[in-house]
Amino acid sequence: QLQLQESGPGLVKPSETLSLTCIVSGGSISSSSYYWGWIRQPPGKGLEWIGSIYYSGRTYYNPSLKSRVTISVDTSKKQFSLKLSSVTAADTAVHYCARSPLGSWYIDYWGQGTLVTVSS
Amino acid sequence: DIQMTQSPSSVSASVGDRVTITCRASQGISSWLAWYQQKPGKAPKLLIYAASSLQSGVPSRFRGSGSGTDFTLTINSLQPEDFATYYCQQANSLPLTFGGGTKVEIK
Repeated sequence: QLQLQESGPGLVKPSETLSLTCIVSGGSISSSSYYWGWIRQPPGKGLEWIGSIYYSGRTYYNPSLKSRVTISVDTSKKQFSLKLSSVTAADTAVHYCARSPLGSWYIDYWGQGTLVTVSS
Repeated sequence: DIQMTQSPSSVSASVGDRVTITCRASQGISSWLAWYQQKPGKAPKLLIYAASSLQSGVPSRFRGSGSGTDFTLTINSLQPEDFATYYCQQANSLPLTFGGGTKVEIK
């Protein structure tokens, strides 16, 4: 059974960089059949797609965040990562890592989510 | 970006009721639509993909329909475990976008 587990600091100061990692277990991150991505959800609000990455390293970003986002993959460590720079309070959210089947962009597996609060 | 509009934003219903949630896309997305269920403090769960295909393990009381710009999620014979928030998502083009959610509450 595939499992995705997010990890990283729960508190980030304004103007600094949010960094999260998602460890993939029970399945291969090197599979050519999936994209790996990040979605966030501000407290009490809806879902926003941040971006996704293919095992080859090809990335797809939400244009609204593209200037601040970097998603990378480390297949040897079975993990992929999110960096969001110059954060503000508006970036406070539960961040989910997730998987999408190649060619469909549905999200069939989600991590449990981790809350990142931006505050001084 | 494709805007996804869900209605209603909330609905009150009783166990055994039929509930219908609609999702409208700002432009045609063929059948590239998914529905998710989210319970408090939990990650969303994929219910329906390709507008009407039931994800493995999802009860058959959940039914999706529609194509183009207008879509519907129907929950037949609402069960206690179905009280949650439901989101639609378009998978036609990037950036992926979600509807604002519909909260199904106990009447």
